[in-house]
Amino acid sequence: QKEVEQNSGPLSVPEGAIASLNCTYSDRGSQSFFWYRQYSGKSPELIMSIYSNGDKEDGRFTAQLNKASQYVSLLIRDSQPSDSATYLCAVNKGPGTASKLTFGTGTRLQVTL
Amino acid sequence: EAQVTQNPRYLITVTGKKLTVTCSQNMNHEYMSWYRQDPGLGLRQIYYSMNVEVTDKGDVPEGYKVSRKEKRNFPLILESPSPNQTSLYFCASSLSLQGGEQYFGPGTRLTVT
Repeated sequence: QKEVEQNSGPLSVPEGAIASLNCTYSDRGSQSFFWYRQYSGKSPELIMSIYSNGDKEDGRFTAQLNKASQYVSLLIRDSQPSDSATYLCAVNKGPGTASKLTFGTGTRLQVTL
Repeated sequence: EAQVTQNPRYLITVTGKKLTVTCSQNMNHEYMSWYRQDPGLGLRQIYYSMNVEVTDKGDVPEGYKVSRKEKRNFPLILESPSPNQTSLYFCASSLSLQGGEQYFGPGTRLTVT
């Protein structure tokens, strides 16, 4: 079982729709969770971080965390063609594991006109 | 401008010829890390550093060396490159010692023939 799992996609959504990206992780002791966006040929950039159960909203982005189910998701409202990218889920195992960040393989999102 | 820089951006070399990829950040971050990104495998951590003269192995450290003599610099050294080290390499830094909210450099595409 991979430590961080994501569906590779592509996930295709029409412009203006909600895109829902999902991620599961295996280590129940994980503490911190991150979503990075990576455009083709570019480096990853952080778009959301979440540390406690529930929802965290930032503009059109909402991160959702459920530690009991070991599940983290990213919702993108009013999807735009510029949102087309690969979204990487990353998990930090927290204190005592010294800053080890584990990434999923990413979900490719395509926003169609 | 706050940034992480890497050099070179592209490198083609031959098996066994020692090379160094430089990484520098101007944000006074304590945490720095190196990743490689391969299709289907995602981002995998090679080495990380939590401060000057403090480095530790990530998930795939074999064949690589690092050093952290200054806070801003974190070079990646391949003493004897092999074709299986052909990959896209990213350097990243973080203000937090948990390392989750990372800023990535532009990447170095390395080909070893």
